[in-house]
Amino acid sequence: EAQVTQNPRYLITVTGKKLTVTCSQNMNHEYMSWYRQDPGLGLRQIYYSMNVEVTDKGDVPEGYKVSRKEKRNFPLILESPSPNQTSLYFCASSSPFSQLRRYYNEQFFGPGTRLTVL
Amino acid sequence: QQQVKQSPQSLIVQKGGISIINCAYENTAFDYFPWYQQFPGKGPALLIAIRPDVSEKKEGRFTISFNKSAKQFSLHIMDSQPGDSATYFCAASNTNFNKFYFGSGTKLNVKP
Repeated sequence: EAQVTQNPRYLITVTGKKLTVTCSQNMNHEYMSWYRQDPGLGLRQIYYSMNVEVTDKGDVPEGYKVSRKEKRNFPLILESPSPNQTSLYFCASSSPFSQLRRYYNEQFFGPGTRLTVL
Repeated sequence: QQQVKQSPQSLIVQKGGISIINCAYENTAFDYFPWYQQFPGKGPALLIAIRPDVSEKKEGRFTISFNKSAKQFSLHIMDSQPGDSATYFCAASNTNFNKFYFGSGTKLNVKP
């Protein structure tokens, strides 16, 4: 089954304790992104990657890091989490070349990771 | 500053009615305007999308109307059903399809 998976799905942590949220896709997509979803603000893009070793900042990159060492994986790293990073996080992948898409570069989202930083 | 402004925040419609959600943008470099549907506990899923070279795109009961001069676009759900109850997000993207800007979302409740 074509999908984007995220782990963990739920995480409660404390301020300053480094954490990583993993994202993996099995569709051979070139593009991957991380978003955070907050009430009243919609989804905001944190970082995106257009291919292996190619990453760039989205709208709200402060406090986050990413890496893209393999095409299928795009982990999100919070080096020193703070309470204002409490949010619902989504990973997404897409490809301009995929046969599975209905629209050009259609984004497929993972199930989300709910993060609480105390 | 929100690049894409969405209204209303919430919407209640009777079964069989028309649901209309509106979005507006400022950046004329935006070249792709998708709508996403999100059910509770799930990730958003692409519903329908439009490029600015057409004024309307229809897929079944879902239609996007696009007004390039006014920099506005809207989602119309005809014959709304209780199963359409979800949160809807409009979005806009540049030509490279790498940066996306989402609206704040509309929670739709279709009453039986």
